[in-house]
Amino acid sequence: DAMVIQNPRYQVTQFGKPVTLSCSQTLNHNVMYWYQQKSSQAPKLLFHYYDKDFNNEADTPDNFQSRRPNTSFCFLDIRSPGLGDAAMYLCATSRTGRTDTQYFGPGTRLTVL
Amino acid sequence: GESVGLHLPTLSVQEGDNSIINCAYSNSASDYFIWYKQESGKGPQFIIDIRSNMDKRQGQRVTVLLNKTVKHLSLQIAATQPGDSAVYFCAENPLYNQGGKLIFGQGTELSVKP
Repeated sequence: DAMVIQNPRYQVTQFGKPVTLSCSQTLNHNVMYWYQQKSSQAPKLLFHYYDKDFNNEADTPDNFQSRRPNTSFCFLDIRSPGLGDAAMYLCATSRTGRTDTQYFGPGTRLTVL
Repeated sequence: GESVGLHLPTLSVQEGDNSIINCAYSNSASDYFIWYKQESGKGPQFIIDIRSNMDKRQGQRVTVLLNKTVKHLSLQIAATQPGDSAVYFCAENPLYNQGGKLIFGQGTELSVKP
């Protein structure tokens, strides 16, 4: 049974055209994370929500935003995608944070034309 | 800066052999470590974790060893199978990361030859 679900699995957008990626979880976890992963690299944390508290990483560009309307859903908004934003975007959840396992979704592969 | 690194970026093993994937970490404040397996085009999959009050933990066909003295972590896979072919990441979570930010190693690609 899928626990962390990401939609769509593949997303194609045009340069500068806003795009939203979706993540949902059935685990009722408090924390939800968004990572960016480029080819042959480790995942890079963009931001995370602890319940409704948003925590941005210092080096995350302003072009990336996030929303968490409820416990189950979290969205990644890319306001003006550039070619350098083409990557796999991974959503993860954990129960309470620091010493709890993070469970990842299957990812959304973003292509920017 | 502090980082988690792997000694070998690629590892090729024969089916049925045991695999050992190594990871060095530099943050002495880390007390929680995780190994993930990532197959091509998929998200990282949790394999096994270990806390710093342990030096060994076993799962199904996998064992994680933690040596805090030399800041070294390893993942042992017994009787490696073709389905084990993937990139393996170690990750650490330092004490100061209240939000659970994982610091990932660079990844090791495991290739299993039939």
